[in-house]
Amino acid sequence: GAVVSQHPSRVICKSGTSVKIECRSLDFQATTMFWYRQFPKQSLMLMATSNEGSKATYEQGVEKDKFLINHASLTLSTLTVTSAHPEDSSFYICSARGTSGDFSYEQYFGPGTRLTVT
Amino acid sequence: GQNIDQPTEMTATEGAIVQINCTYQTSGFNGLFWYQQHAGEAPTFLSYNVLDGLEEKGRFSSFLSRSKGYSYLLLKELQMKDSASYLCAVLDSNYQLIWGAGTKLIIKP
Repeated sequence: GAVVSQHPSRVICKSGTSVKIECRSLDFQATTMFWYRQFPKQSLMLMATSNEGSKATYEQGVEKDKFLINHASLTLSTLTVTSAHPEDSSFYICSARGTSGDFSYEQYFGPGTRLTVT
Repeated sequence: GQNIDQPTEMTATEGAIVQINCTYQTSGFNGLFWYQQHAGEAPTFLSYNVLDGLEEKGRFSSFLSRSKGYSYLLLKELQMKDSASYLCAVLDSNYQLIWGAGTKLIIKP
């Protein structure tokens, strides 16, 4: 099946610093990638949808200047949390949607990144 | 608005059968997904239904009734490793996934 990797898996940073998270589709081309955030014991919250070569579409309430998304190629999207604060501590998960396949709208999830801001 | 409802938590016994229901009201429908998510991990795909009826895959089955806006995930011969959250998600008319809040399934010996 389709594999999506995410790096790093865990990161601890100090308040005020920026953190970059990478999401890669390893064996397929992902025209669309999604970034989710999940707080403990809560469901997935979609942050933004990014299409290769265009600007990301952010969900209501998500600050685009704080959460910078770049989808420069069909296999790589990055999320940068700028000037991180403790309330940004969360589990960030990316998913990718391919261009073809049995379920062309199925989302393949990366393993997630646990961000802790101290 | 768009809404997906599923129970918050369910408890079942090892070896038994459990049915997790999901009802939805969305703008359009292009399929319904079930995902399993263990604590601290990303979701993994379980099933996809776009036509009415039952899809069986090993111990797991998923049912869909589009006219009723209803689906269920049926887990048989429950194992302790099945303890997880089960997420129902609907693909709407814009091909965006609308997520339910998830059902936490607790398996007891």
